[in-house]
Amino acid sequence: DGGITQSPKYLFRKEGQNVTLSCEQNLNHDAMYWYRQDPGQGLRLIYYSQIVNDFQKGDIAEGYSVSREKKESFPLTVTSAQKNPTAFYLCASSIGQFYGYTFGSGTRLTVV
Amino acid sequence: GENVEQHPSTLSVQEGDSAVIKCTYSDSASNYFPWYKQELGKRPQLIIDIRSNVGEKKDQRIAVTLNKTAKHFSLHITETQPEDSAVYFCAASRGSSNTGKLIFGQGTTLQVKP
Repeated sequence: DGGITQSPKYLFRKEGQNVTLSCEQNLNHDAMYWYRQDPGQGLRLIYYSQIVNDFQKGDIAEGYSVSREKKESFPLTVTSAQKNPTAFYLCASSIGQFYGYTFGSGTRLTVV
Repeated sequence: GENVEQHPSTLSVQEGDSAVIKCTYSDSASNYFPWYKQELGKRPQLIIDIRSNVGEKKDQRIAVTLNKTAKHFSLHITETQPEDSAVYFCAASRGSSNTGKLIFGQGTTLQVKP
C-alpha cells in the first residue's frame, strides 16, 4: 500500500531540546516537502528537497534542519533555536510540478 | 512577496446549497492551482487542480475556475452534503519553476448543515 508515513503522531519537547520528526514515502517521488500548520493559518514551507543529498530552505527555515540521504526519507529536526515550535507539521511528496502533493498524516508537536 | 489570499475564512450553507470559495494570487508566473480538503484531525487531500492553460475544470459536484488576467481562481461545490464539511485550502505554484513549491491560502472552514 503506497503512501507517506509520518511518526510520531504526537511529540512533546522540553525547552532546549532537539527533536526529530520522521517522514518516509514509498511512492518513488523525487520531491519532498515540510510544511508547518498553525491554527487559522495556511501551510508554510519549512524545507524542500527535489533530489537525494540536496535540499533548500523554505519561508520559515530558521530553527529547523533536514537531511535527504535516501529518496524515501526526509526527516525534520526541530532545534532549540526554534522559539515557537508548537504546531502541526506536515510532510508531503510529489511526482512533479503539476501533480499536487500527497501528504502524510502529520505530527503534532507541543512544547512542555 | 508572493501570497495567496483566500475568502471567506468560514462558510456555512444548508445541505443541497452551493458553496463558493475564492482565492487571489500575486505571482503572475504561477501556472498550477490545486485545492485541498482537510477533515478534522486528518491530512489534506487533493480534490481538484487546474493548470494555467485551462479556464475551468469540473469533477462531479466540484468545479474550479481560473481567471489569469485577474489572478483569481475559485472552487465551486454544488449540492453540498454534510460530508463536505471540512477546511479547504487553495494553493498556487511558486512561479513557473519546476520545484513544485506551493504557496497556500489561509483556509476556509465549510460547514454544511443537514
